[in-house]
Amino acid sequence: EVHLVESGGGLVQPGGSLRLSCAASGFTFTSYWMTWVRQAPGKGLEWVANIKQDGSEKYYVDSVKGRLTISRDNARNSLYLQMNNLRAEDTAVYYCARYQSISSAWFDPWGQGTLVTVSS
Amino acid sequence: QSVLTQPPSASGTPGQRVTISCSGSGSNIGSNSVFWYQQLPGTAPKLLIYINNQRPSGVPDRFSASKSGTSASLAISGLRSEDEADYYCAAWDDSLSGVVFGGGTKLTVL
Repeated sequence: EVHLVESGGGLVQPGGSLRLSCAASGFTFTSYWMTWVRQAPGKGLEWVANIKQDGSEKYYVDSVKGRLTISRDNARNSLYLQMNNLRAEDTAVYYCARYQSISSAWFDPWGQGTLVTVSS
Repeated sequence: QSVLTQPPSASGTPGQRVTISCSGSGSNIGSNSVFWYQQLPGTAPKLLIYINNQRPSGVPDRFSASKSGTSASLAISGLRSEDEADYYCAAWDDSLSGVVFGGGTKLTVL
């Protein structure tokens, strides 16, 4: 069974940093793009970033460029999101998901999410 | 303001058929496939429809979807109480080089 488990969320002050992790199992991790999607409290879904199988291509939503960095460790079947210079508007539940193909919005399955709260 | 436009709410009674619209532009829906996600209260989103109108295994055939030009729609027939959820459309946007979501539609089963 395909399984994605996020971790690393928590409370951080504005300007601070946090690193999210997503542990993948049940599928050949190296065969898939991966993605992060977030959801602010009471709001809709917002795509954050994608990364290619070998990490050679990455795409970001404009609002996070230069502050959030997606990466992966294929040896550990893990996806990461390094979050720097965090702002209040980054407060959200962050979901990792398997991304079926570039130029699509095909995310399946999703993890359970991890909550990031940016507040002083 | 989401790139894809959905009505914020929809409702129906058990057994009814409801539709949810999703409007975009030539750079997203007009040139790429549409995907639909269902988010039950307090849970992670789940893929409901892929490539405009395909259902993943396990999704009841009460759920159907279509796309025409720069718009898409999701239809739910034989409405059931367990269909009460938030529904999101999504597509790749060529101009933004990224994925765009609709703002979501909260479906209430009366």
